[in-house]
Amino acid sequence: EVHLVESGGGLVQPGGSLRLSCEASGFSFSTSWMTWVRQPPGKGLESVANIKEDGSEKYYVGSVEGRFTISRDNAKNSMYLQMNGLRGEDTAIYYCAKNRPGGIYENWGQGTLVTVSS
Amino acid sequence: EPVLTQSPGTVSLAPGERTALSCRASQSVSSSYLSWYQQKPGQAPRLLIYGASTRATGIPDRFSGSGSGTDFTLTISRLEPEDSAVYYCQQHWSFGQGTKVEIK
Repeated sequence: EVHLVESGGGLVQPGGSLRLSCEASGFSFSTSWMTWVRQPPGKGLESVANIKEDGSEKYYVGSVEGRFTISRDNAKNSMYLQMNGLRGEDTAIYYCAKNRPGGIYENWGQGTLVTVSS
Repeated sequence: EPVLTQSPGTVSLAPGERTALSCRASQSVSSSYLSWYQQKPGQAPRLLIYGASTRATGIPDRFSGSGSGTDFTLTISRLEPEDSAVYYCQQHWSFGQGTKVEIK
């Protein structure tokens, strides 16, 4: 069974940094694209960043480009999101998702809440 | 990246009824990459339909998807109380804004 567990969320001041982790199990992590998707409180879903199986390709939504960095460690079956220069509009639940071909988000973790506030 | 617009915003129906949720793209998209997700309150989204019409593993057959080009539909026949949720369509990076289904 596919299992995705996010961690690392919390309260951070504007301009601060946070590193999210996603630990995967139950599937071949090293052969799967992975994505971070976020959801502001009471709002819809937004794809934030994704990463190819071997980490050689990474894509970001424009609003986080230059501030967020996605990475992965296939030896640890883990994906990360380093978030710098955090803003109030980054406040959201952050989900990690396992992709199937075509950018389909096949499995989701339970999410971790990031709150950016002074 | 196409903009996906969903309608209606909210629908309220009785158990056993049927509903069709619309997802309209601002430009033609490949049906191979059109997906639908269900999100219940306090839960993560769950993949329902991919490739516009293929049900994901474990999804009951009262959920069906159809469409091509710019117009796609998620149909839920024989609504059950547990179908109360927000439904999102998605294509690559883009998500629709969601349709809330309420069961009376």
